Amino acid sequence: ELKVEQNPLFLSMQEGKNYTIYCNYSTTSDRLYWYRQDPGKSLESLFVLLSNGAVKQEGRLMASLDTKARLSTLHITAAVHDLSATYFCAVDMDTGNQFYFGTGTSLTVIP
Amino acid sequence: NAGVMQNPRHLVRRRGQEARLRCSPMKGHSHVYWYRQLPEEGLKFMVYLQKENIIDESGMPKERFSAEFPKEGPSILRIQQVVRGDSAAYFCASSPRGPLPGEAFFGQGTRLTVV
Repeated sequence: ELKVEQNPLFLSMQEGKNYTIYCNYSTTSDRLYWYRQDPGKSLESLFVLLSNGAVKQEGRLMASLDTKARLSTLHITAAVHDLSATYFCAVDMDTGNQFYFGTGTSLTVIP
Repeated sequence: NAGVMQNPRHLVRRRGQEARLRCSPMKGHSHVYWYRQLPEEGLKFMVYLQKENIIDESGMPKERFSAEFPKEGPSILRIQQVVRGDSAAYFCASSPRGPLPGEAFFGQGTRLTVV
């Protein structure tokens, strides 16, 4: 079974600081997705990475994909409180019908 | 264009009762996916349906769970004789084409509590 691991699971960071969330997966996939989930809410799509070396940026968040290392990173620059949420990465496979989700990283940005 | 609509948002059932969760996909989407999220965990795939067909139910428990997506109306996830372990958030996603879920959009979920 395809495994997707995120670390850290919990992250508390001060406003203005930078940090990186890591997502490792266990099988070949060229597609990786990042989602944000606020408490009690649905998943909001942040990034879709479709090839090796893909890098996308939106505001203070930047995501990258290294398919050879089976690793994606979500980098947070100068964190603000509004970024507090749980972040999930997910992969899919050519032969499958589903996303495989990581366990999530719960981010809390403190003043 | 409304997003993926799920109802109810919250559902409380006693052990042994039935739970019915509804999902109306986005307009123009004929592919529906159900996922379950246990507390403190990521989402786990349950089933993928197209209109009137179950395409992949590899993530569905073998007993008590069933899903349908009729020609008319919403997709239904049905859980019979609920147990405490069924307490979770159930999310539906839809996409305009499949099977790759790359463009899937998620609903707000139904939070099922079994007491």
